[in-house]
Amino acid sequence: NAGVMQNPRHLVRRRGQEARLRCSPMKGHSHVYWYRQLPEEGLKFMVYLQKENIIDESGMPKERFSAEFPKEGPSILRIQQVVRGDSAAYFCASSPPAGSGNTIYFGEGSWLTVV
Amino acid sequence: DQQVKQNSPSLSVQEGRISILNCDYTNSMFDYFLWYKKYPAEGPTFLISISSIKDKNEDGRFTVFLNKSAKHLSLHIVPSQPGDSAVYFCAARSGGGSNYKLTFGKGTLLTVNP
Repeated sequence: NAGVMQNPRHLVRRRGQEARLRCSPMKGHSHVYWYRQLPEEGLKFMVYLQKENIIDESGMPKERFSAEFPKEGPSILRIQQVVRGDSAAYFCASSPPAGSGNTIYFGEGSWLTVV
Repeated sequence: DQQVKQNSPSLSVQEGRISILNCDYTNSMFDYFLWYKKYPAEGPTFLISISSIKDKNEDGRFTVFLNKSAKHLSLHIVPSQPGDSAVYFCAARSGGGSNYKLTFGKGTLLTVNP
C-alpha cells in the first residue's frame, strides 16, 4: 500500500521562476493537505483540498501561491515568481473520507531552494 | 500567536528510561491531538493520537495523556530506545469531521543515548 507520494523531492529555482510540487495521496484517500515548514519552525497549514474543490485555503499566502486537486492526477502546489523566502520544505498529507479513519498521513516532502 | 507550544526544544535521556515530551495549547476549540515523529529530510510519521473526550491513550511503548483543564498533553515513551531519537511534533486539530487542518508545535528534539 503506497504512501503519500511527493515529487520532486528536491527542487532548485532561481528567483522569479515558477515551482510546481506534486502530490499523489494514499490509495483510497480523497482529502489532500499542503503544509510548509520553514527552518527552525513547525509545520504550518496552507490548504485543504478535495477532488476539484478547495475546502480551506486560509493558510495560503495571498499572492503567487495556488493549489489544485483535479479529478484525475495528482494535487499540484504552484508557486509563481519564487523569492528566497519561499525556500522551505513542503509537505503533502492525505486522509480518508469522513468516518473512515482518524488521522492524516504525510509524504516525504519536497525541499524547495530558491537561489 | 502560537496556539500549540512545545517549550522544550530538546530532551536527552538514557536508553531504557522514560522520555516525557510536553505540549501546551491555548485554543479551547481543539478537539483532537496527535503526535508525529520526524527524522531529518523525511516527512512526519504518525505516532499516536487522542480525542478531547479521553484523558489517556496507549499504544505499545507510547502513551499520550491529555489534561483538558490545564490545556496540556504529554507523550511518554517507555522504555526509550536509540531509534526513538528524532524530532517530535505535537499537533492539534480544529474544525472537526474530515478536516485535518492541524496546528503544530515547533517540535522537541529527543536524543536517546545508548
